[in-house]
Amino acid sequence: NAGVTQTPKFRILKIGQSMTLQCTQDMNHNYMYWYRQDPGMGLKLIYYSVGAGITDKGEVPNGYNVSRSTTEDFPLRLELAAPSQTSVYFCASSYGGVKNEQYFGPGTRLTVT
Amino acid sequence: GQNIDQPTEMTATEGAIVQINCTYQTSGFNGLFWYQQHAGEAPTFLSYNVLDGLEEKGRFSSFLSRSKGYSYLLLKELQMKDSASYLCAVIYGGSQGNLIFGKGTKLSVKP
Repeated sequence: NAGVTQTPKFRILKIGQSMTLQCTQDMNHNYMYWYRQDPGMGLKLIYYSVGAGITDKGEVPNGYNVSRSTTEDFPLRLELAAPSQTSVYFCASSYGGVKNEQYFGPGTRLTVT
Repeated sequence: GQNIDQPTEMTATEGAIVQINCTYQTSGFNGLFWYQQHAGEAPTFLSYNVLDGLEEKGRFSSFLSRSKGYSYLLLKELQMKDSASYLCAVIYGGSQGNLIFGKGTKLSVKP
């Protein structure tokens, strides 16, 4: 199993550009999540999904969109990139249930200039 | 609002024991997680507590007191590879979106 994979690993965007961060998991997990992590800060939940076709906002959803058309894929869309979106983005997945241990992808380091 | 507090940094010596504390104030509680994150890498799961008491897993143990809103992670027989950030996270509601992470504690292990 590859686990959770993310592409790209690094990206530099200009202000106003758009891009999609890709996330795929091969563990047949129902739950998937997108976080951002700024230096010295904790992980902030952007969006999450409890199954294909179902998504919901987390703590910091503004400026982002998601979709979940399959169990495996959970792309994150940035529209009109802003410098405040410079961050490291982590995708995670879990079985759900009581324990809900999350498995994280390697992250995407995004810089908006 | 929801809040988690952890010390920002700690230093310990190889072979020693270190305790990393976490206090939380949340509207509800459905479990507490500890994750380890090496610099430049993704977090990895260490432990989960939902009932009061101590959970032991090899060199790592995690304790929870729900009445005090308090947890700690205990690392024994410290090794250099334990140098990392340790993240405390709490699920505080019935939804998977009700999850908050602390800012993490950066642990440096010295020879």
